Amino acid sequence: GAGVSQSPRYKVAKRGQDVALRCDPISGHVSLFWYQQALGQGPEFLTYFQNEAQLDKSGLPSDRFFAERPEGSVSTLKIQRTQQEDSAVYLCASSLRAAGNTIYFGEGSWLTVV
Amino acid sequence: DQQVKQNSPSLSVQEGRISILNCDYTNSMFDYFLWYKKYPAEGPTFLISISSIKDKNEDGRFTVFLNKSAKHLSLHIVPSQPGDSAVYFCAANQGGSYIPTFGRGTSLIVHP
Repeated sequence: GAGVSQSPRYKVAKRGQDVALRCDPISGHVSLFWYQQALGQGPEFLTYFQNEAQLDKSGLPSDRFFAERPEGSVSTLKIQRTQQEDSAVYLCASSLRAAGNTIYFGEGSWLTVV
Repeated sequence: DQQVKQNSPSLSVQEGRISILNCDYTNSMFDYFLWYKKYPAEGPTFLISISSIKDKNEDGRFTVFLNKSAKHLSLHIVPSQPGDSAVYFCAANQGGSYIPTFGRGTSLIVHP
């Protein structure tokens, strides 16, 4: 497809379990973003990649959160030892240029920790 | 401390009338502003944007107005249609940062 693709769409994890969320950005897009959206809130920034370089990870809430984009295309957001407060929609977005101002979102991965 | 504020959590409008969604920001360094629309169980979809060098940008039924002195922008939808019912997010970029900051959203309901 032509858009940002995320998987899985829905994930239920038991507390303490590790999860991995995948993002396949629009082909050729240099920049990739991860956002977290809790119920009733706006998207909150987690981390930003320019190609394979993680230029900003200031929004990651704890060291249990880790993101990578090893070949400058597909990215994975990993959450270790999940907790109930990690329950949210995780949105991936990409933009064409390093200085691109418009970012395009995927449909999100809905994580519920029980 | 929220840098992008959407103070109205919801708005209800009659079909055919104008919808006006408001957004305020506190960071004077923001120079690019975007509106996204989000349907339930979907990701946000880009709608319209405006650079700080302009005060108005129009795209079909959607117009965004920017008042830099008031640090305020608004999205006008004319005429409103039931399919416009969604959550609308305002976002802002700071030049050189590339990372948009989002508001909490306004839920628009357009009644037939």
